[in-house]
Amino acid sequence: AQSVTQLDSQVPVFEEAPVELRCNYSSSVSVYLFWYVQYPNQGLQLLLKYLSGSTLVESINGFEAEFNKSQTSFHLRKPSVHISDTAEYFCAVSVNYQLIWGAGTKLIIKP
Amino acid sequence: KAGVTQTPRYLIKTRGQQVTLSCSPISGHRSVSWYQQTPGQGLQFLFEYFSETQRNKGNFPGRFSGRQFSNSRSEMNVSTLELGDSALYLCASSLGDRGGGEQYFGPGTRLTVT
Repeated sequence: AQSVTQLDSQVPVFEEAPVELRCNYSSSVSVYLFWYVQYPNQGLQLLLKYLSGSTLVESINGFEAEFNKSQTSFHLRKPSVHISDTAEYFCAVSVNYQLIWGAGTKLIIKP
Repeated sequence: KAGVTQTPRYLIKTRGQQVTLSCSPISGHRSVSWYQQTPGQGLQFLFEYFSETQRNKGNFPGRFSGRQFSNSRSEMNVSTLELGDSALYLCASSLGDRGGGEQYFGPGTRLTVT
């Protein structure tokens, strides 16, 4: 069965420091990959996606993720975080008409 | 284009009652998925409807059911409510052609069972 693993339940980081949120998946078939963000007391929003083509994808607010097929990973990175990035981040994999979700990683920004 | 809307936003019910939640997808989207989100269990998939047919189902008891109408609007019903059903219920819509890809979420319905 396919699964998505987000190794860190929480990641504390100082403001303006870089951050990486890790996501690994298990699948033997081609997949589509997504990162979603959930700000406090809100629904989930699509942050970025990998469908095909360039393995490096970027969001409008400075996040990027790289699809690594050999390591079955899709880690999310940002070179400098801001207090407004405080949220929970979910990695998801689309396989056979279903989204498989990771458990989420809470990004905690320390002033 | 209007986003995904869910009604009601908040609901308080008593154990043993039933509840119906509604979701209106983005215009043109034919797939609607439902999720339960709790602090302890995280985001759990309930079911997905595409063109009025249930296409995928998660591991929830039969008390949880859903349906989709010809205009793609969807409802989910929970019968014989239990305290553990207290959660944020999220609805997400997508075009459905890729099946499971790129979903757009509503704000959720916060259900409290007392």
